[in-house]
Amino acid sequence: GDSVTQMEGPVTLSEEAFLTINCTYTATGYPSLFWYVQYPGEGLQLLLKATKADDKGSNKGFEATYRKETTSFHLEKGSVQVSDSAVYFCALREARGSTLGRLYFGRGTQLTVWP
Amino acid sequence: NAGVTQTPKFQVLKTGQSMTLQCAQDMNHNSMYWYRQDPGMGLRLIYYSASEGTTDKGEVPNGYNVSRLNKREFSLRLESAAPSQTSVYFCASSLPLNTEAFFGQGTRLTVV
Repeated sequence: GDSVTQMEGPVTLSEEAFLTINCTYTATGYPSLFWYVQYPGEGLQLLLKATKADDKGSNKGFEATYRKETTSFHLEKGSVQVSDSAVYFCALREARGSTLGRLYFGRGTQLTVWP
Repeated sequence: NAGVTQTPKFQVLKTGQSMTLQCAQDMNHNSMYWYRQDPGMGLRLIYYSASEGTTDKGEVPNGYNVSRLNKREFSLRLESAAPSQTSVYFCASSLPLNTEAFFGQGTRLTVV
C-alpha cells in the first residue's frame, strides 16, 4: 500500500540556518503530497502542498518540490526562525481514480531552533 | 467559521469503560477521518468515511467503531477502553481527492 518515509528527528538548528527535512513516498499512480506543521498543544495545519509531478509548493519561506523520478518531497527553508520550532509531517493522499482517497502520514520530525 | 470541532478535549477513562469522541465540521466536506497520534509513530489512520453513509477501516481499527451520523458528524467509539488506547485523537475532514485535510484540535485520552 501507499506509505511515507520521513527523516527521523529531532533536528536542532541555530536561527538563520538552512533546513532540509527529507521525505520519500511509495504510491500507485500520482498521489498528492503535503507538508503539515504541528505547534505544541495544537492540531495539524497545512504548510504547503503539490498535486502533480514537478509542482513546487511554497509558504512562509518553506518550499518542497514533487519529484516523481525520485519519489521525494523534501522540505526546505533557507533561514529558519525560532518561531519555526514545531513538528513537521509529510503526508500523501491516494491518487485520483482511487475510491478511497485516504491520507497517510510520516512519523513526524521535531524541529527546534535556538536563538 | 469553526472548521473541525472535537469534543471532549481531555478525558480519563478506566480500563473497560466506554466512550464516544465527537467530531463535527461545518465546511460541507465529504470525507472525514479519525487518526491517533502516538510518540514516534506519527499519525495513524483508524477509520475513514468517504461520504455520508460509508466508512472504511484504516491502519489501526481494532478496538474502535465509528458512525457517520450525517455529512457534518463523524464519531469514534471505544466500547471497552484499554491502556493501549491512551493517545491523542484527531478528527479531520476534506473535499474529495487531491485536496488537503483540515484538523480539529485533538482529544487527549488517558486510559488507566
